[in-house]
Amino acid sequence: GEDVEQSLFLSVREGDSSVINCTYTDSSSTYLYWYKQEPGAGLQLLTYIFSNMDMKQDQRLTVLLNKKDKHLSLRIADTQTGDSAIYFCAEIPNNNAGNMLTFGGGTRLMVKP
Amino acid sequence: NAGVTQTPKFQVLKTGQSMTLQCAQDMNHNSMYWYRQDPGMGLRLIYYSASEGTTDKGEVPNGYNVSRLNKREFSLRLESAAPSQTSVYFCASRRWGENTEAFFGQGTRLTVV
Repeated sequence: GEDVEQSLFLSVREGDSSVINCTYTDSSSTYLYWYKQEPGAGLQLLTYIFSNMDMKQDQRLTVLLNKKDKHLSLRIADTQTGDSAIYFCAEIPNNNAGNMLTFGGGTRLMVKP
Repeated sequence: NAGVTQTPKFQVLKTGQSMTLQCAQDMNHNSMYWYRQDPGMGLRLIYYSASEGTTDKGEVPNGYNVSRLNKREFSLRLESAAPSQTSVYFCASRRWGENTEAFFGQGTRLTVV
């Protein structure tokens, strides 16, 4: 997804916080998503945020949205080794007829014990 | 409840061979999608079917064809495989609506030699 950008790699120590960043281009996207992909598996929806919100918290996950800068972030508190995975941000641009998701390139999170 | 099922899980093809990747969902979803995943490029949409009876091209349709056989099944065909089509292919489905979760299959890892 060339319209959604993420850094490729993030390494943290177990117990630290992880922050995964994403920039998107379609300011009219109504919802923005974070998906998680564990090794050898498909993608699973982790959380989402509605575009009229600045922040959403769900247990260890905090999503921050800066609409002015088109910047989305996912913070994982107390990161565990089980959080090691690839994380994708995604949007549904308003100009697509199929209501389809446009994904970023994914950020590989490695959690060191 | 199986969700989204893809077959096969792995496949090796010789250049020029053809094959069909199968996808079926049992969630009564209207929309189905085929993505390919390549390192650092996230998921790119190949084709989608917004509803039974319709199919449309996505971002990278060249070299592929699709069939929405019925509401449950959406197949992806490679008529003459090329090494550039070596990738991991994911099928996804979702209920029609503004903010509905997309469910992904486990993926098909295809190597073209």
